[in-house]
Amino acid sequence: GAGVSQTPSNKVTEKGKYVELRCDPISGHTALYWYRQSLGQGPEFLIYFQGTGAADDSGLPNDRFFAVRPEGSVSTLKIQRTERGDSAVYLCASSLRSSMLNEQYFGPGTRLTVT
Amino acid sequence: AQSVTQLDSQVPVFEEAPVELRCNYSSSVSVYLFWYVQYPNQGLQLLLKYLSGSTLVKGINGFEAEFNKSQTSFHLRKPSVHISDTAEYFCAVRDSSYKLIFGSGTRLLVRP
Repeated sequence: GAGVSQTPSNKVTEKGKYVELRCDPISGHTALYWYRQSLGQGPEFLIYFQGTGAADDSGLPNDRFFAVRPEGSVSTLKIQRTERGDSAVYLCASSLRSSMLNEQYFGPGTRLTVT
Repeated sequence: AQSVTQLDSQVPVFEEAPVELRCNYSSSVSVYLFWYVQYPNQGLQLLLKYLSGSTLVKGINGFEAEFNKSQTSFHLRKPSVHISDTAEYFCAVRDSSYKLIFGSGTRLLVRP
C-alpha cells in the first residue's frame, strides 16, 4: 500500500518568504507527527495531531510555525517569514492511533533551503 | 526530559565483520526504545523496538539490540554486515508522551 508522502520533495525559498509543506499520511491513520531534521542531527519533534486537533505543539520553535489538519487526513506545515535557520529536512510520520504501541511510519521528507 | 546519546558519529567496518552501534538514554520510570535506519534520500524505517518483555530484541535485516536497564543502554548489533547496510542509524526513545526523541545518529560505513 501507499506510504506517507510529502510534497514538495525540495523547496528553495528566499529569506522572509512564506512556505507550505504538505503531508499525506497512510490512509486510515489518525495520528500525524511533524519532525525537523537539521544537518548532522537526529529528527526533532515539532507537533502531533490526533484527528483534526493538535494534541501537542510543544516542539514548534516560535509563532512563525503553524500546522493544520482540517479534515483529519492531509496536514500542512506553514512557515511565515522564513529565516536561514529554518533550513532543514521536514519529516512527517503517521500511525494507526496514538497508542504507545503503534509504530510511526515516516515519509521521505521535504528539504527546505532558505537563501 | 528524556534524551538519547549516540556517541559514535561514524563507524567504519569491513564487509562481513560484526558491528555494534551504541545508544544510551536518560533514565525514566518506563521507556520504549527504537532503532531506525535512514538510507540516502529515503525516509526513516523502523529496524526494531523494545516495548516490554525479553531484553533481546530481533529486528529486520539481521539486526538485534539488547535493552540494559542498569546501564540505560540499547546497543544495536549485527554479526556480519553487508555493503547494503551502509546508512544512518538513529536510536530513539518514547516515554509517556507520543513523541519520539532521537539521538544525533551514527553513520555506518561498510567497506568491501
